[in-house]
Amino acid sequence: AQKVTQAQTEISVVEKEDVTLDCVYETRDTTYYLFWYKQPPSGELVFLIRRNSFDEQNEISGRYSWNFQISTSSFNFTLTASQVVDSAVYFCALSVLETSGSRLTFGEGTQLTVNP
Amino acid sequence: AAGVIQSPRHLIKEKRETATLKCYPIPRHDTVYWYQQGPGQDPQFLISFYEKMQSDKGSIPDRFSAQQFSDYHSELNMSSLELGDSALYFCASSLTGWAPGETQYFGPGTRLLVL
Repeated sequence: AQKVTQAQTEISVVEKEDVTLDCVYETRDTTYYLFWYKQPPSGELVFLIRRNSFDEQNEISGRYSWNFQISTSSFNFTLTASQVVDSAVYFCALSVLETSGSRLTFGEGTQLTVNP
Repeated sequence: AAGVIQSPRHLIKEKRETATLKCYPIPRHDTVYWYQQGPGQDPQFLISFYEKMQSDKGSIPDRFSAQQFSDYHSELNMSSLELGDSALYFCASSLTGWAPGETQYFGPGTRLLVL
C-alpha cells in the first residue's frame, strides 16, 4: 500500500520568509510519481509539479523549489520570499505504476499561512 | 487554456435524496477521476474511467455510481444521500490513462451539502 505523510499540519510565517514543507512517502514500487498541489481558500486544487522515481534532479520554478531524495523517500517543497497570496493548503501526492489506473494518494496536507 | 468543468458548483440536498454531479474533462483528455474531500481532510480517490471504461475503483460507496460517456464527460450519481456525504467532490482529467503517472488536472469541485 502507498502512503504519504506530511508531518506539518500548520505552518505560519511572516511575509518574505522562506518556508519548507516536508513530504515523506512509502511505496514498494520502484516506479512511482510524486506531485504537489496547492489548494487556496477558494477550494480548487492547482497542480504545481510532477516528478518520477527515475529523475532525482531537484527543480526550481520561480519562488518554488523541490528537493527529491530517494534515499530518504522525501519530496520537500520550499517557497522562498513568501507572500500573503501563497497562503493555502499544500498537498503532496503519490501515484504508482499500476495496470488499472493512476489514482493519487494524498498526504494530509499542510496549511501554510503567510502573515503580512 | 481550457480547464476541467464541473457542475453544479454547489448543491444542497436532503437526506435520502439523489444527486448527480457532472464533469467535463479538458479537451482531448480521455481519462476522468473522481475524488471526495471531507472538511479538513485530503482528497480520497473514488473511481476513474479511461476511454469510457472503469479503470480503477477506490473507496466509493455502493450507493454511488459513475460512468463516462461517448463525449468523455462523466457523471457521478449518488443515491440515498447521508449527512456524511457532505463534502467537496472533485473531478480531474488526464491526457491518457494508459500511461501511469499522468498529471491530473482538477476541476473547481462541487460542494455538496446534505441536510
